[in-house]
Amino acid sequence: DMKVTQMPRYLIKRMGENVLLECGQDMSHETMYWYRQDPGLGLQLIYISYDVDSNSEGDIPKGYRVSRKKREHFSLILDSAKTNQTSVYFCASSLYRVNQDTQYFGPGTRLLVL
Amino acid sequence: KTQVEQSPQSLVVRQGENCVLQCNYSVTPDNHLRWFKQDTGKGLVSLTVLVDQKDKTSNGRYSATLDKDAKHSTLHITATLLDDTATYICVLIDRGSALGRLHFGAGTQLIVIP
Repeated sequence: DMKVTQMPRYLIKRMGENVLLECGQDMSHETMYWYRQDPGLGLQLIYISYDVDSNSEGDIPKGYRVSRKKREHFSLILDSAKTNQTSVYFCASSLYRVNQDTQYFGPGTRLLVL
Repeated sequence: KTQVEQSPQSLVVRQGENCVLQCNYSVTPDNHLRWFKQDTGKGLVSLTVLVDQKDKTSNGRYSATLDKDAKHSTLHITATLLDDTATYICVLIDRGSALGRLHFGAGTQLIVIP
């Protein structure tokens, strides 16, 4: 059963704290993505990873960094979280780059930064 | 910059009725278009992908059209069920993008009432 998992599902942090969001996939997909979703806006791409240690900035990378040390695992890190980073974060994966095939999405992590 | 506009923003229908969701986009001459369903608090699930210059697809009670000349797509839902309550998101797949970019609409929130 093809699956993208995200942990935690819900998280509350204070401004200035560090945040680690984890994503895993069991499909051996090369490409993984982090997005954020805010009310009234479409999903915005934060980072893409094409394979282990091969990451590229998306449209809104400022304030975020990523880590991919294993193909099946992709982390999003917020160093010193800000209130405007309150959002729902989605991880996705695709076998190759998305213009060749579909993306599979995780259930999302709801982050509240106070 | 590619933009994806969806209408209506929200829609309420009675169970059993049909409905049509619209998606208009700009720029990106070489594209595919995908419709996703997002249940509340969940990730995105692909419903269908449209590829050809004038394309039509069907997936059970869901059918979709694409007209690349008009830069317009529609998603038809026939005989709606309560479980169709969700946000439907139109996504443009930029096949010319080396990064494999997706451009997301903000979604149409569909509510099906008994």
